[in-house]
Amino acid sequence: QQQVKQSPQSLIVQKGGISIINCAYENTAFDYFPWYQQFPGKGPALLIAIRPDVSEKKEGRFTISFNKSAKQFSLHIMDSQPGDSATYFCAARRISSGSARQLTFGSGTQLTVLP
Amino acid sequence: DADVTQTPRNRITKTGKRIMLECSQTKGHDRMYWYRQDPGLGLRLIYYSFDVKDINKGEISDGYSVSRQAQAKFSLSLESAIPNQTALYFCATSDRDRGLETQYFGPGTRLLVL
Repeated sequence: QQQVKQSPQSLIVQKGGISIINCAYENTAFDYFPWYQQFPGKGPALLIAIRPDVSEKKEGRFTISFNKSAKQFSLHIMDSQPGDSATYFCAARRISSGSARQLTFGSGTQLTVLP
Repeated sequence: DADVTQTPRNRITKTGKRIMLECSQTKGHDRMYWYRQDPGLGLRLIYYSFDVKDINKGEISDGYSVSRQAQAKFSLSLESAIPNQTALYFCATSDRDRGLETQYFGPGTRLLVL
């Protein structure tokens, strides 16, 4: 059972365009929503993250938009560059028993930015 | 030097063999995790440990076991490898209770079970 649904599975955009990746969740116990970026042959690395008490967070060309009522959040990459070509994972963290914190990842989006 | 290292980086084994994947970290973090990555399925948590005496099962722990030998070392074992355990395995670490905690991933181990 996938608790965080991510789309699209793959995305191709032209250099300078806007890349948009969407995620949806069901569990209202999630309290933190990070995005991870993974380049080929590397482990994922934190890109940007948001808490549900804000609707948007921007860091450079990367923006997370968060819609708490719809239980959806998305990553926008403005002015996409070939160097942004990577796999992107959304994730959600829940606090379970004993203050354990676990991340549940989406299925990933392979982004290709054409020069 | 990498803060989270995994050995081996690649491994080919046969069905039924026992293998161990090792993870070491120099970040001084208490929390360590093992994930597997499969195409179209993202990253799924196998086991996690919040300190040397604390081991917890994740989403997909069947067929796996772990050992936390020290704060800096967390090993994943496949007791009797099977082909559907072919995957990319990642170790990760995070700091204790730092609010918006970040997980730091190693470079991964690519495992092929024949």
